[in-house]
Amino acid sequence: GAVVSQHPSRVICKSGTSVKIECRSLDFQATTMFWYRQFPKKSLMLMATSNEGSKATYEQGVEKDKFLINHASLTLSTLTVTSAHPEDSSFYICSARQAGRVTGELFFGEGSRLTVL
Amino acid sequence: AQTVTQSQPEMSVQEAETVTLSCTYDTSESDYYLFWYKQPPSRQMILVIRQEAYKQQNATENRFSVNFQKAAKSFSLKISDSQLGDAAMYFCAYRSQPGSAGTASKLTFGTGTRLQVTL
Repeated sequence: GAVVSQHPSRVICKSGTSVKIECRSLDFQATTMFWYRQFPKKSLMLMATSNEGSKATYEQGVEKDKFLINHASLTLSTLTVTSAHPEDSSFYICSARQAGRVTGELFFGEGSRLTVL
Repeated sequence: AQTVTQSQPEMSVQEAETVTLSCTYDTSESDYYLFWYKQPPSRQMILVIRQEAYKQQNATENRFSVNFQKAAKSFSLKISDSQLGDAAMYFCAYRSQPGSAGTASKLTFGTGTRLQVTL
């Protein structure tokens, strides 16, 4: 099956610093990638949709200047949390849609746990 | 906008028994996809089963099957012969058909059901 890899799996940073999370599709091309945020024992909340070669589409209430998304190639999307604060601590999950696949499912990365001190 | 509701925050089943997880959704669309994803303690989301709305036949994948009631907008997951490894959070998800105006291909998730499997 299609594999999506996220890195890092865990990151701890100081308040005010920026953190970059990578999402890679390892064995397929992903024209679209999605970034989700998950709070403890909660569901996944879509943050933004990332399309290769174009600007990301952010969900209502998500600050695009704080959560920078770049999808520079068909296999890589990055999420940068800028000037992180403790309230940004969360579990971030990416998923990818395989180009040309008609069955509709998304493939998920392992997630990245961000802790801001 | 579509919504997905999972009314059971937690469920418990004995090993080897059968359990059914409920999911209802709201949509005005006639064609769409429904999914059940599993999130084990490792936190990676794993696809369990998929159903296309235009198909009347319920999807099955080994011990997992669904009861898809389109008119009732219900999509329950049945796990037969439950195993310890089935313990996880289970999320029901909805996705519009690609190309629907303004919807992209994003998934809308329910709030999840935590399944415990006991000996």
